[in-house]
Amino acid sequence: EAGVTQFPSHSVIEKGQTVTLRCDPISGHDNLYWYRRVMGKEIKFLLHFVKESKQDESGMPNNRFLAERTGGTYSTLKVQPAELEDSGVYFCASSLIAGGRGETQYFGPGTRLLVL
Amino acid sequence: AQSVTQPDIHITVSEGASLELRCNYSYGATPYLFWYVQSPGQGLQLLLKYFSGDTLVQGIKGFEAEFKRSQSSFNLRKPSVHWSDAAEYFCAVYGNAGNMLTFGGGTRLMVKP
Repeated sequence: EAGVTQFPSHSVIEKGQTVTLRCDPISGHDNLYWYRRVMGKEIKFLLHFVKESKQDESGMPNNRFLAERTGGTYSTLKVQPAELEDSGVYFCASSLIAGGRGETQYFGPGTRLLVL
Repeated sequence: AQSVTQPDIHITVSEGASLELRCNYSYGATPYLFWYVQSPGQGLQLLLKYFSGDTLVQGIKGFEAEFKRSQSSFNLRKPSVHWSDAAEYFCAVYGNAGNMLTFGGGTRLMVKP
């Protein structure tokens, strides 16, 4: 069974440009999460989808970030326009049971974003 | 709000030596605790988790962790470290509001030959 996949693995863009990150969760997982780790900081939660609905987006830093999960399968995270402070590693995770507190989250390899 | 502290940013041990990585949490109720490992170029891999029951939890790759409520700790241990254990280790706790994980800052482990 394939794990969580993310594309691209690396992205280097200039300030003001747009970048779209993609996450494909484990097949059948209703829950999809986005996290990010900026340089030298902790991994921080961004948002949580249950199927195609946003369950919790309390971690989204500002309105330059837009996440979607059309059809409840893969998800995209768009940053527009990108700023220097958006550089970091963006992780996606998925879990099986909607609303199951403590359910194991399986992480992808991350997308390393560098904004110049 | 919950929080996780990993006091050691970097640790270096010799191959074959024992290892203990510290994790302290702040949480009002019984925590759900996790240890993840990130090897170079890899994603986060779950090592072990504690939900309830036996406070000594066994994980993959020979790791174990012990939940100590009185000390608010969930330290990760391994009796004999291998060079392939060089990686960054993250302790995390589930929040009581929503399903997000709260992570510690990570501990980077280096293994000397």
